[in-house]
Amino acid sequence: AQSVTQLDSQVPVFEEAPVELRCNYSSSVSVYLFWYVQYPNQGLQLLLKYLSGSTLVESINGFEAEFNKSQTSFHLRKPSVHISDTAEYFCAVSDGVYGGSQGNLIFGKGTKLSVKP
Amino acid sequence: EPEVTQTPSHQVTQMGQEVILRCVPISNHLYFYWYRQILGQKVEFLVSFYNNEISEKSEIFDDQFSVERPDGSNFTLKIRSTKLEDSAMYFCASNPGRYTEAFFGQGTRLTVV
Repeated sequence: AQSVTQLDSQVPVFEEAPVELRCNYSSSVSVYLFWYVQYPNQGLQLLLKYLSGSTLVESINGFEAEFNKSQTSFHLRKPSVHISDTAEYFCAVSDGVYGGSQGNLIFGKGTKLSVKP
Repeated sequence: EPEVTQTPSHQVTQMGQEVILRCVPISNHLYFYWYRQILGQKVEFLVSFYNNEISEKSEIFDDQFSVERPDGSNFTLKIRSTKLEDSAMYFCASNPGRYTEAFFGQGTRLTVV
């Protein structure tokens, strides 16, 4: 069975500092990986995704994540965070193989990123 | 930009009552989903729906739950007899094809009292 582990429940950082939010997954089949962001009192928004091809994927607001198959990881990084990045970040995995689709997602418990001035 | 819309944004219901949560997926999407997020916990998959039938459901999705696509636009989640532990944020999602990402609605916060 698939599972997703986000090791850090909360990550406090100062503005303009770099950040890494960790995500590890377990799956016996090929996977598709996602990071979703949830701003306070809002729904889930897709931040970035890995489906195939280049293992380094980027979002439009400066985040990036690298798919590492040998370490079964998909860590999220940003070299310099802003106050507006304060949100909860969810890593998710799907296989879309056994009759399902990319929407059958297994989520991690989430990491709350708190950016302080 | 097309988006998944959910109504209502917040619903309060008494324990034992039936509740229907409504979703309008993006119009050309073929796969539909419901997820829930109990306060302080992770987002959990409930059910996926394709070609007018359930394609997969989790162990959470027991006989108290049902889904329906009554017309060409709406996708509903019904909870027959709500329990206190059904209090959660319920998210609807959809995607246009099997190998594409899901788009989520803003959620409906269900409070069972």
